[in-house]
Amino acid sequence: GDSVTQMEGPVTLSEEACLTINCTYTATGYPSLFWYVQYPGEGLQLLLKATKADDKGSNKGFEATYRKETTSFHLEKGSVQVSDSAVYFCALTHNTNAGKSTFGDGTTLTVKP
Amino acid sequence: NAGVTQTPKFRVLKTGQSMTLLCAQDMNHEYMYWYRQDPGMGLRLIHYSVGEGTTAKGEVPDGYNVSRLKKQNFLLGLESAAPSQTSVYFCASKNTNGPGYTFGSGTRLTVV
Repeated sequence: GDSVTQMEGPVTLSEEACLTINCTYTATGYPSLFWYVQYPGEGLQLLLKATKADDKGSNKGFEATYRKETTSFHLEKGSVQVSDSAVYFCALTHNTNAGKSTFGDGTTLTVKP
Repeated sequence: NAGVTQTPKFRVLKTGQSMTLLCAQDMNHEYMYWYRQDPGMGLRLIHYSVGEGTTAKGEVPDGYNVSRLKKQNFLLGLESAAPSQTSVYFCASKNTNGPGYTFGSGTRLTVV
């Protein structure tokens, strides 16, 4: 079956540091890939997506590129802010499978001033 | 505001009690899902629905039942709550070819 593996956290960075959260996946076919963000006490929010190989998703300064050859979708940001502190989830979806998503375990990011 | 609304936000149950969690969406989405979130385990799919009147089992369906009598509502029931069902429950919806899920804000359930 499908699976998503994220780098283990927690990750603690100083403000303006560079961020990379690794995500690799195992899946048949050509799933769509997503990053979601969860702020304390809230539900998950879609951060960015990519639907095919070599697509780059971007939003709010975050980027991730769909790498089929390495089955990866790493999340990056050049300069993090305190407000980026949250839990980040990588996920994949096969649109032909009732849209069901498989999620990674989440990576907690804390950014200190 | 358009989105997914979950009620209640918090609940404490005693072992053996029953309850129903309500999820309502106003985006006319076809697909709806119930997930549970536990520390270190990410999100696990409980049940899902691909349309009004249809439901299907997900990864961890035991101890739960669901119904989708109306397109906009997806109910999750616990017939006899157990401490292992202590968790945060999230409802999500998606359009057939939509970009991703829209999540509710969650229900924090504690079973004592």
